[in-house]
Amino acid sequence: AQSVTQPDIHITVSEGASLELRCNYSYGATPYLFWYVQSPGQGLQLLLKYFSGDTLVQGIKGFEAEFKRSQSSFNLRKPSVHWSDAAEYFCAVVAPLIYNAGNMLTFGGGTRLMVKP
Amino acid sequence: KAGVTQTPRYLIKTRGQQVTLSCSPISGHRSVSWYQQTPGQGLQFLFEYFSETQRNKGNFPGRFSGRQFSNSRSEMNVSTLELGDSALYLCASYLQTGGNNEQFFGPGTRLTVL
Repeated sequence: AQSVTQPDIHITVSEGASLELRCNYSYGATPYLFWYVQSPGQGLQLLLKYFSGDTLVQGIKGFEAEFKRSQSSFNLRKPSVHWSDAAEYFCAVVAPLIYNAGNMLTFGGGTRLMVKP
Repeated sequence: KAGVTQTPRYLIKTRGQQVTLSCSPISGHRSVSWYQQTPGQGLQFLFEYFSETQRNKGNFPGRFSGRQFSNSRSEMNVSTLELGDSALYLCASYLQTGGNNEQFFGPGTRLTVL
């Protein structure tokens, strides 16, 4: 079955340290890939997306993600974390058109990021 | 440009009642999707609408329904509320069909069922 996995439920990093959040997907073809961030009590904000082309994509707030087809992964990175980055992060995919799933986003379970001062 | 608007932001209902939630998409966007977010099940897709037509439906019971109007605004309705319907309901808007869309989310409606 098609799925999105975020292996880390919680991650704690020190402010100024680097960050990598993992995301793996299971589809027969490359889906459309997204990372969203959600602050407590808020909606989802799009950080970045990958549709095609360059496998390293830049997003807002200093985030980037790298698509690796061979590993079915789309990991999110940030070189230096700020206290304001504490939030929950969701990897999401839209299935390839052959699955006829429209624009349905399938989300991973989320990774809660805590930032130590 | 104004973002996605959802009303009301908070709602408290009792079991057996029904509820209607509203979503106004970004101006010019013709597609709207709805999601339910709960601590146990995470984010789950409810429906997708484009130009007043339901294009896709998630795996929810028939108590959950929706519609889209000619101005692209969308409503979802939940009838005969159950405790398990307590959740954050999120609406996303985007330009068109096809999977390569940036989907912009509203702040959500927090529904509590007592």
